Amino acid sequence: GAVVSQHPSRVICKSGTSVKIECRSLDFQATTMFWYRQFPKQSLMLMATSNEGSKATYEQGVEKDKFLINHASLTLSTLTVTSAHPEDSSFYICSAGTGNTIYFGEGSWLTVV
Amino acid sequence: GNSVTQMEGPVTLSEEAFLTINCTYTATGYPSLFWYVQYPGEGLQLLLKATKADDKGSNKGFEATYRKETTSFHLEKGSVQVSDSAVYFCALKYSGAGSYQLTFGKGTKLSVIP
Repeated sequence: GAVVSQHPSRVICKSGTSVKIECRSLDFQATTMFWYRQFPKQSLMLMATSNEGSKATYEQGVEKDKFLINHASLTLSTLTVTSAHPEDSSFYICSAGTGNTIYFGEGSWLTVV
Repeated sequence: GNSVTQMEGPVTLSEEAFLTINCTYTATGYPSLFWYVQYPGEGLQLLLKATKADDKGSNKGFEATYRKETTSFHLEKGSVQVSDSAVYFCALKYSGAGSYQLTFGKGTKLSVIP
């Protein structure tokens, strides 16, 4: 069946560096993908909507220059956390839909040290 | 705007106890409703869903009924197991083709003790 794969599942990076997280739809095409962030003991908050071939749509309060989203193909969206800081440490998860179903990636745990 | 409110956790139950996690929503129109489960250290898994009023979603012994009159979608299970320990999220999305954005509740952590 349809699957969304996210990579890496865990990443540790140094403060000030950038880290890229990939989200792939493995056997379907997704013109739209969604990126969520989950703070410890809190819900998932939508960060942005990734649109294939055009700019992402960011939710209010999300810094677009810090969280760069690229959706260059119908099966791949990337989230790059630029100049990461410890407060960016979080669980990031992507989703994509096809037909009547939404699929989530496995999520990526980012730790900035 | 849309919002989902679910009961605050954490919830601790003994094995074989009855579980209810309340969820109410605010939305215009007729959203689809979902329960997702997140096991420790893992991503999200769809547990069950309902797409219209009076629909009942069920899976793995869990049930939830879409109640339009009370704008609720409470999750229930008659006899919980230790393996049900996880965080449960109630969510909604607008129905309609191509609508895949979800609004989540804050999540309810369930711990089941032997």
